[in-house]
Amino acid sequence: QKEVEQDPGPLSVPEGAIVSLNCTYSNSAFQYFMWYRQYSRKGPELLMYTYSSGNKEDGRFTAQVDKSSKYISLFIRDSQPSDSATYLCAMSETGGGADGLTFGKGTHLIIQP
Amino acid sequence: GAVVSQHPSRVICKSGTSVKIECRSLDFQATTMFWYRQFPKQSLMLMATSNEGSKATYEQGVEKDKFLINHASLTLSTLTVTSAHPEDSSFYICSARIPGQGVIDTQYFGPGTRLTVL
Repeated sequence: QKEVEQDPGPLSVPEGAIVSLNCTYSNSAFQYFMWYRQYSRKGPELLMYTYSSGNKEDGRFTAQVDKSSKYISLFIRDSQPSDSATYLCAMSETGGGADGLTFGKGTHLIIQP
Repeated sequence: GAVVSQHPSRVICKSGTSVKIECRSLDFQATTMFWYRQFPKQSLMLMATSNEGSKATYEQGVEKDKFLINHASLTLSTLTVTSAHPEDSSFYICSARIPGQGVIDTQYFGPGTRLTVL
């Protein structure tokens, strides 16, 4: 069983729709959860991070973590064509950055104009 | 914001040659840098952790004699793929850690280097 599972998609939705992206994980020691956006042939760009369970909102983006279910989500409201990219979830046991990140495969998101 | 650069962005080489990839933090000092590898439609896989002034720590299954890492200064880490073979063709991405920013230490990623071994 892989440590982090993420549906690779592609996920195609019309402009303006609410997008829901999800990851599940098996390592209960993960405490820090991040979402990265990656455009084709580019490095990942940090979107949001959360610690432990709970919600965090930043503009059109909302991140949710449910540690009891080992399930994290990223919601994008009022989706735009410019949001089209691959979204990667990432996790770590320590927030100190001493260890590298464990990534999901990434979900390829397409926002149709 | 923090900027991490990589050079070269793309390299094509013959099988058996060695390739060096540089990772630089442009506007901050990074005591720790990470090297990842990403195959097409696959996740980023951590290869090694590079600490300035000490030996790199490699993940299980990554050959340290094949992937040489040197973290000579607080702004530069290099990855050398020695005796490259076609199966080493991949997208290599580095990240640099900024300590002490809020709850977590943020990792900023470089733009990646696409290696193609013929």
